[in-house]
This record gives sequence, C-alpha cells and structure tokens, in this order.
Amino acid sequence: DVKVTQSSRYLVKRTGEKVFLECVQDMDHENMFWYRQDPGLGLRLIYFSYDVKMKEKGDIPEGYSVSREKKERFSLILESASTNQTSMYLCASSLRGLGFNYGYTFGSGTRLTVV
Amino acid sequence: AQSVSQHNHHVILSEAASLELGCNYSYGGTVNLFWYVQYPGQHLQLLLKYFSGDPLVKGIKGFEAEFIKSKFSFNLRKPSVQWSDTAEYFCAVGSSNFNKFYFGSGTKLNVKP
Repeated sequence: DVKVTQSSRYLVKRTGEKVFLECVQDMDHENMFWYRQDPGLGLRLIYFSYDVKMKEKGDIPEGYSVSREKKERFSLILESASTNQTSMYLCASSLRGLGFNYGYTFGSGTRLTVV
Repeated sequence: AQSVSQHNHHVILSEAASLELGCNYSYGGTVNLFWYVQYPGQHLQLLLKYFSGDPLVKGIKGFEAEFIKSKFSFNLRKPSVQWSDTAEYFCAVGSSNFNKFYFGSGTKLNVKP
C-alpha cells in the first residue's frame, strides 16, 4: 500500500513563527499536493509539484511556499504564521499520466493551530 | 478554476434509509470522477472512481455512483445506510488536462442508529 506520512498530527505555533510541515510518500509518485481543509469550504489546493524542484501554485498560495528537493518529500512552509492559517493541512500524492486515473493517496493530516 | 458543487452540506438519516448525495462539476472536457470518504478522526479514503466505461460505478461498502455526462453529475448512492457510514463525503473531479483534482465542499452524513 502507498503510504503518505505527515510528520506531525497536531502543531501549535505562535503568530509570526516560520512553520514547516513535512510530507513523505514511499511509492515513487511523481505528483504531490498540499491542501487545507476547513469546515464548509472543503479541500483547497495550496501548492502542488509534478517533479523534483518543480512547483505550481494552487488556488490559495498566499502566505505559503513549498520545497521539493527529493521525489519522496514535499514540504509546506508558512513564512510567517497567522491565525487565519489555523486549519487542517492534508498532503496527497499520485502517479502521473495514466496513473493519475487512480486518484490521490492522502496522509492523515496535520492540524495546525496558530495562537 | 473549475468548480465542484455538493448541494447537501449536512444530511441526517436513520439506519436502513436510502442515500443520494449530489455532485455537479463545471468542466466540459474528459474528466475523472471520484468520491472520497473521511470517517471521524481518519484520513480521506477513496470510495469509488470513474474514468471510462460503464457510467454506473460500484465502490466499497455498497456504495455506487452514476456518471451522467449531459448533467455534469456524479451522484453517490447507497440503498440502505448503516450507522458506520457516518462520515464526511467529498466529490472530486480531475482531468489529465490540468493534472490535479478539484474538490467539492463536502457533505456530512449523520446516520442515526
């Protein structure tokens, strides 16, 4: 089974801190994604990556950046955390091309609280 | 950006009732369609998917969904729900043209025992 592992299940950070959320997948997937999940808003795409060192903005990239130095690891960075970034963050991965038809595999999520 | 609409935000049913959750999308090209489920405290899991062939798709736990291209819809159904189906359900649409998925806002299903 594909596993997508997010390093922290719960995080509490202070306003203005730089925050790193880590995601690792173990099945050689090309695509990786970061979403945030908020009640009533569903899943909104922050950033995604098709390959190492490649990144694309999603629908809500403001206040975030990403890093993909290795194929299996995709990091989400909150440059200066703010209270409106309190949310559940979900990492996902998928194959590319025809494999994309099989959908995403999700991590368990990181619930970030910014105080 | 593409849009995915789930019209029911919160559904409450008694056990053995039938379920239908609506999903409509806006993209006019070839699509892949998915339903994901998130049980309380758990991660999102794939329930079923459609990318070609028979528009009636069967998934796990007795769920099925029907793709109606003319209506841009992919509604999820189950003839008889169980208390264990209590969860949040997300519809997602993807396409090789944009190589990412768009998700609906989710429907919370609460099944009363």
